[in-house]
Amino acid sequence: SAVISQKPSRDICQRGTSLTIQCQVDSQVTMMFWYRQQPGQSLTLIATANQGSEATYESGFVIDKFPISRPNLTFSTLTVSNMSPEDSSIYLCSVEVRTDSYEQYFGPGTRLTVT
Amino acid sequence: GQNIDQPTEMTATEGAIVQINCTYQTSGFNGLFWYQQHAGEAPTFLSYNVLDGLEEKGRFSSFLSRSKGYSYLLLKELQMKDSASYLCAVTPANDYKLSFGAGTTVTVRA
Repeated sequence: SAVISQKPSRDICQRGTSLTIQCQVDSQVTMMFWYRQQPGQSLTLIATANQGSEATYESGFVIDKFPISRPNLTFSTLTVSNMSPEDSSIYLCSVEVRTDSYEQYFGPGTRLTVT
Repeated sequence: GQNIDQPTEMTATEGAIVQINCTYQTSGFNGLFWYQQHAGEAPTFLSYNVLDGLEEKGRFSSFLSRSKGYSYLLLKELQMKDSASYLCAVTPANDYKLSFGAGTTVTVRA
């Protein structure tokens, strides 16, 4: 398995500001992903964080709104820019782990409230 | 695109068995995950099925039929702590990005 931490665990932010969320893994991983879970909803993939290159974004998500960094194989950041109340969600990073099988693990999440 | 269906809610009695079904229609398929998510917490990995058949892990088992686009998660000897949302997620061919179903909320009653 993998131990994943996220900072901050929660935050309350004002409209128009930006927040950067950090994701740290205790081992080197190839693939890291960022998901969003809006209140009462399931998870939606925002982007794949690629080490050494730009992130790959899913339909409906753009780099200007959700810039992502991946400086090495154990760390990534997601920034939520120019926030509005609609961005209030839980943001989760996940990593893939390959042993004799394949597994994906999630970090504890960052609960963001935009006022 | 991906279309993933699972029941919204299920209720069962402590000690009983519950089966959560998941059907999917996807443009390409690699494998299927099941996650457990307690309220206010992150999803916890339960299983990953690639091949047809049943995989058992203690009280939890997961089944996959690729030809039918169908999976189920079987929870045996239910305990109160099993009350949670159970999420079915699929990955497309040659990729590992997860597409999630809406989740099934299981309530275990004494």
